[in-house]
Amino acid sequence: AQSVAQPEDQVNVAEGNPLTVKCTYSVSGNPYLFWYVQYPNRGLQFLLKYITGDNLVKGSYGFEAEFNKSQTSFHLKKPSALVSDSALYFCAVRDYGGTDSWGKFQFGAGTQVVVTP
Amino acid sequence: EPEVTQTPSHQVTQMGQEVILRCVPISNHLYFYWYRQILGQKVEFLVSFYNNEISEKSEIFDDQFSVERPDGSNFTLKIRSTKLEDSAMYFCASSVGVGNQPQHFGDGTRLSIL
Repeated sequence: AQSVAQPEDQVNVAEGNPLTVKCTYSVSGNPYLFWYVQYPNRGLQFLLKYITGDNLVKGSYGFEAEFNKSQTSFHLKKPSALVSDSALYFCAVRDYGGTDSWGKFQFGAGTQVVVTP
Repeated sequence: EPEVTQTPSHQVTQMGQEVILRCVPISNHLYFYWYRQILGQKVEFLVSFYNNEISEKSEIFDDQFSVERPDGSNFTLKIRSTKLEDSAMYFCASSVGVGNQPQHFGDGTRLSIL
């Protein structure tokens, strides 16, 4: 079975400061990990994914995420946050080859990011 | 860039009525999904669909729900007899493949049951 956790309901950061949104996961097979962003009244937009290879993955809008197998984490990061980054961020996992072999997406509860000027 | 489109953006329905939510997935995508997001809560998987049949469904997707791909472009979610607790945002998504392929989401239909 697969699960994903986002331990913070909200992250507050000042514009220009580094932003980190935390995500941890649990899978029985191989983890495919994704980050999505949701702006008000919009659907989820794909930011980046980890499949295999380099642990540091770069995505859209200057975001990156670091896969850490030993800590089963996939934290989203941005070196310098913008006010326009204020949105709801979702981590998702797909357990490919595990008990859910077809691999539906399991989303975290979401983290609201608030970037203040 | 191709998009998943959903109609209507907002649907208001009386409890007990049937409702059909419509989606047009990205044209070269083969896998289709419905998700639900109750206000303030997490995004929940409902069903996945491939090759004209349901591939996987969650415990939420009971006999009141059905999906259909009536033609080459549309993908619909039907709720036969709506309940108050069906009020939520419903998102359609599609992907070109599974495994490491991201899903692309529409902007959702807000379903309000009165």
